[in-house]
Amino acid sequence: DAKTTQPNSMESNEEEPVHLPCNHSTISGTDYIHWYRQLPSQGPEYVIHGLTSNVNNRMASLAIAEDRKSSTLILHRATLRDAAVYYCILRPGTGANSKLTFGKGITLSVRP
Amino acid sequence: GAGVSQSPSNKVTEKGKDVELRCDPISGHTALYWYRQSLGQGLEFLIYFQGNSAPDKSGLPSDRFSAERTGGSVSTLTIQRTQQEDSAVYLCASSLVAATTGREDNEQFFGPGTRLTVL
Repeated sequence: DAKTTQPNSMESNEEEPVHLPCNHSTISGTDYIHWYRQLPSQGPEYVIHGLTSNVNNRMASLAIAEDRKSSTLILHRATLRDAAVYYCILRPGTGANSKLTFGKGITLSVRP
Repeated sequence: GAGVSQSPSNKVTEKGKDVELRCDPISGHTALYWYRQSLGQGLEFLIYFQGNSAPDKSGLPSDRFSAERTGGSVSTLTIQRTQQEDSAVYLCASSLVAATTGREDNEQFFGPGTRLTVL
């Protein structure tokens, strides 16, 4: 499975934008970039995904480098509730079993 | 609507005992996954069910682990002769598969997990 590399942790201030980086230099042409987050004592929840173009949804934006070897999850205005572990995951776009391969993720702390 | 539910939320057992963990996926979701998360670690894939296809058991760590999915809905993960290293949070996820294309939806919905402690 193609791997992703994320910093261990990041701190942010409430109501400021947050940029969470992810490197995936061995990404294949059919791999989608997915982001999940896990709030304390909860199961992971889907945040966003993309293939080549930048993506926006109600939770976040995903900026994908032109060579697709890196991406950045953008939270436009961090809230205390956004404190969580964020996982950047590559998921094959083909094949029957698209299990998610989680790394250790990046722990985001939000200061009030 | 109702999300993925798991029971029990917490389970404490003694080494050597068998345990059963239950997962109720979202209605209509034919794809079901089990993962486990040890303390401070990421999630580890265990097993995958999709419709009537043979399950992908490639992530099960030993033959003490087994899982069933009855009627294409509820799934049970069984751990026999539990060991202390089995202590973890066991998470279930489900997702929708398009009937016409067989393609799985992009989003997996996770349950709250079962915290298993083996003494």
